[in-house]
Order: sequence, then structure tokens, then C-alpha cells
Amino acid sequence: QKEVEQDPGPLSVPEGAIVSLNCTYSNSAFQYFMWYRQYSRKGPELLMYTYSSGNKEDGRFTAQVDKSSKYISLFIRDSQPSDSATYLCAMSGMGNQFYFGTGTSLTVIP
Amino acid sequence: KAGVTQTPRYLIKTRGQQVTLSCSPISGHRSVSWYQQTPGQGLQFLFEYFSETQRNKGNFPGRFSGRQFSNSRSEMNVSTLELGDSALYLCASSTGQTSYNEQFFGPGTRLTVL
Repeated sequence: QKEVEQDPGPLSVPEGAIVSLNCTYSNSAFQYFMWYRQYSRKGPELLMYTYSSGNKEDGRFTAQVDKSSKYISLFIRDSQPSDSATYLCAMSGMGNQFYFGTGTSLTVIP
Repeated sequence: KAGVTQTPRYLIKTRGQQVTLSCSPISGHRSVSWYQQTPGQGLQFLFEYFSETQRNKGNFPGRFSGRQFSNSRSEMNVSTLELGDSALYLCASSTGQTSYNEQFFGPGTRLTVL
């Protein structure tokens, strides 16, 4: 079983829709939870970072972490064509070693 | 502030050859991590170097090795290339000094093994 599981999609939504992206994990030692966005031919860039359980909002993006269920989510409100990218969840414990999901490919159709 | 740079951007090699990839971190960052990205496996951690010492290592065979220089630049070497080594190799830099450090990724080196 992989440390981090993420539905690869692809996901296709109309502009303005609410997008929900999810990951599950198995290691209860994970404390730091990240969402990265990766455009084609680019490296991943950090979108959201959350420590431990709870919610965090940044503009149209909301990250949720439920450590009891080992489940994290990213919600994108009012999705835009520029949100079309691959979204990667990542997590780490006390060390500087990150574990990534396989990524979900999202296309927002104008 | 300049970002993370990786050279070369694209590389084509044949089975059995070896390859060296280079990564220059953001100025002031002392930690460099390397990842292999493939469509089926996603990003897999190779190793992390901090102040010229390997601090963490993933589950890759010994054909994959790395080093870091005193200026924090890092190189990754893959010997005896196999077809399955075809992937995007990403490096990420961070300050590396606390439990959590934001990792800044370079654009990657696309390696194709024929």
C-alpha cells in the first residue's frame, strides 16, 4: 500500500464549478499537509500548507485536514480555466522528507 | 530572487549509459531534495542533501547517487541506465533548518532512455 493515495482523474469541470480534490494516507506520523499545483512542463508550486487537523482558506482555495480519518481535501471555488493543471497532495512528518500523491489532472472548460 | 535551476532540461541516453543531472538551489538554501516523477508512480523521493551530507534517502537502488557541493549546488548521477529510468527528475530546495520547510521546485530534467 502506498503511503499516499490520490485519485488521478482526469477531472473535467465547467468554469465556475466547485472542485473537490482528495487524498488519503496511512502514516499517522504525518503532521504537515500540502497541496501543490503543477502546470505542464513546469515544476510543482506550493498552493496551500496546513499543519495538523483543521481548515485553511486562501482566496478561492480551501484546504481541509482530518487526521482522525487520514483524509485531506482541497476545494476550489469559482473554478477558472487558469486552474487547469495537475494537483498534487503531499505530506511529511518531523523530517524533511515529503510523500506525494500521484496527482489529479484538472481541466476547467470555459 | 532567482529560482531553482536545473540543467540540462532534456536528455536522451541509451541503456547502460550513465547520466549526471545538476541542480542550483535558491540562494541561501542549504537543502536540496531530488524526486523522480513518472505518470504511474507520481513523485517519488530519491534523496535529500543538507550542508553536503545526505540526510534522507528513499527506496531507490544504488545506481542512483548524489552529492552536494559547498555552494549547495547538487548533482544526481544514475549509472547503468534502464528503460524504466525514463522520467522527469525534479529537484527542490529549502532552508532545511526546521521541521517543515517549504520546498521550491525547479522545472525538472526530462530524461529519456532508449
